[in-house]
Amino acid sequence: DTAVSQTPKYLVTQMGNDKSIKCEQNLGHDTMYWYKQDSKKFLKIMFSYNNKELIINETVPNRFSPKSPDKAHLNLHINSLELGDSAVYFCASSHAPNTQYFGPGTRLTVL
Amino acid sequence: KQEVTQIPAALSVPEGENLVLNCSFTDSAIYNLQWFRQDPGKGLTSLLLIQSSQREQTSGRLNASLDKSSGRSTLYIAASQPGDSATYLCAVKYAGGTSYGKLTFGQGTILTVHP
Repeated sequence: DTAVSQTPKYLVTQMGNDKSIKCEQNLGHDTMYWYKQDSKKFLKIMFSYNNKELIINETVPNRFSPKSPDKAHLNLHINSLELGDSAVYFCASSHAPNTQYFGPGTRLTVL
Repeated sequence: KQEVTQIPAALSVPEGENLVLNCSFTDSAIYNLQWFRQDPGKGLTSLLLIQSSQREQTSGRLNASLDKSSGRSTLYIAASQPGDSATYLCAVKYAGGTSYGKLTFGQGTILTVHP
């Protein structure tokens, strides 16, 4: 069984649209994260949630809004998509601050 | 500014060689350091995690060392195989502030092991 899963795997959309990416973990972890990997493959944290509470928000535009309905899920909603939002988005989970387990990634392409 | 740098950016070696990947970090006040592997188009796989109190960790052909005072970590891969070809990422959990696991990543080393 997949430990950290993300849907969709690929997302192609037009500028200005609103889209969501879902993440689920079945590891019983208390902390979940969203990372962005840009075209140069550089990974940077966006958000962290611990027990459904927002802990880290790394200067991400407010067009990005994470939602954690429960400890096993952390979804990412993006409003008014821009070309620069094209990237691979990774979800991860852990018993903070221990080993983080990453999902397979969602490749977002904004046209 | 707390940063992580990896050298070299890319490395190509023949099968069977032992190799070393380098990671440096700007602030010695770290909580832990983690090495990941990323295959093309895939997610990250955790290889080794070293706590700040540890000097090294080993898993199979992999050995990671940590020297906080010099701000360096190395990942040693013994007897490299073509299947080791991937991007290797170093990530640091800096101490202080929230303890909820924020990782700062290096830009990665792209390793190619050719038969």
